[in-house]
Amino acid sequence: NAGVTQTPKFQVLKTGQSMTLQCAQDMNHNSMYWYRQDPGMGLRLIYYSASEGTTDKGEVPNGYNVSRLNKREFSLRLESAAPSQTSVYFCASSDLETQYFGPGTRLLVL
Amino acid sequence: GENVEQHPSTLSVQEGDSAVIKCTYSDSASNYFPWYKQELGKGPQLIIDIRSNVGEKKDQRIAVTLNKTAKHFSLHITETQPEDSAVYFCAGSLGGSARQLTFGSGTQLTVLP
Repeated sequence: NAGVTQTPKFQVLKTGQSMTLQCAQDMNHNSMYWYRQDPGMGLRLIYYSASEGTTDKGEVPNGYNVSRLNKREFSLRLESAAPSQTSVYFCASSDLETQYFGPGTRLLVL
Repeated sequence: GENVEQHPSTLSVQEGDSAVIKCTYSDSASNYFPWYKQELGKGPQLIIDIRSNVGEKKDQRIAVTLNKTAKHFSLHITETQPEDSAVYFCAGSLGGSARQLTFGSGTQLTVLP
């Protein structure tokens, strides 16, 4: 039981490049989330998926897209990376209330 | 939407002393308040939570109190140990099928040996 896994752990991009962050959970949770964490700002919700087949915007969705591939997997895509997207990205999944977080992806956009 | 404020941003205590972190929330409809601990280089991990129908909850050295009237809740850690050093986040949730958590900005707790 690995919980929530994220790949890659670390990535460096140039401005304008695209990439997809992968997330998978093995807890049979319906809901999944993507957050970004910036110094002094806590975690901010980018997108979430209440159940397979549905996605909704969170607090800071601009510049991102998501795909809920199946119940286990929820990916985050940056189509044209910008330096402002330099951050640590966390995926989470939840049962009715408790959210369980992955180890994070550290993204640097030059 | 919900707004959660957390204080202090940094806190240093001597080993064995108590630590208190406070949060306030804006939406009186919020009904679920978890606390997360984040160690360096890792994802946040739930350490305790409280629901709006409970005023206090305790788990060994950790306790959380909730004052619905004043819209604030606090984390209390007693007999602190060096391994308690981490960043602590409070959060509030309005509920729904996907619990949308609004996080505070975090408190860096340092326990000095």
